[in-house]
Amino acid sequence: DGGITQSPKYLFRKEGQNVTLSCEQNLNHDAMYWYRQDPGQGLRLIYYSQIVNDFQKGDIAEGYSVSREKKESFPLTVTSAQKNPTAFYLCASSTTPQGSGNTIYFGEGSWLTVV
Amino acid sequence: KQEVTQIPAALSVPEGENLVLNCSFTDSAIYNLQWFRQDPGKGLTSLLLIQSSQREQTSGRLNASLDKSSGRSTLYIAASQPGDSATYLCAGPSGGTYKYIFGTGTRLKVLA
Repeated sequence: DGGITQSPKYLFRKEGQNVTLSCEQNLNHDAMYWYRQDPGQGLRLIYYSQIVNDFQKGDIAEGYSVSREKKESFPLTVTSAQKNPTAFYLCASSTTPQGSGNTIYFGEGSWLTVV
Repeated sequence: KQEVTQIPAALSVPEGENLVLNCSFTDSAIYNLQWFRQDPGKGLTSLLLIQSSQREQTSGRLNASLDKSSGRSTLYIAASQPGDSATYLCAGPSGGTYKYIFGTGTRLKVLA
């Protein structure tokens, strides 16, 4: 079945540690995105990529890094520089840039907790 | 810069009621507006996408309208069911770009 797979579902990070969240899509979409969702708040854009080997910072990119070496993969690394990383992280993809009139598809999300 | 507001933040209704969820946005020059559903601890599912040239879209018991001049969109749910219980979010592109700005959502509970 086509879709977006995020892993792991739950992840615990120790202080000072970098962790990587995986996002894989088999929808043949060019554009991919990472969002952060905190309780009672809407989604905030961390990074997005419109094409392989290219990505742009979103509104809250500090403390995060990404890569887009393959069309189907867009991993997100939460670095130790991110002081408040506990949140729900959502990966998404679309055929063309979001907001251009095509549906965005979301993964099931990953919960990251700092211990 | 686009700002998206959703009212009410939470809503509880008995089964069978027709209800309206509201979404307000500040930048009327949007390309489109999209409504999503989110179940607890899950990702988002797209419900309806309204292009800027359209006034409404319908899918089953759902109807979404868009009024760019007033900066408002509404999601109408007919004959609500317990299975409709979820958080509903709207999103629109931010000022001349393609980046979506999301509202904080309306948490709906339909009582059996």
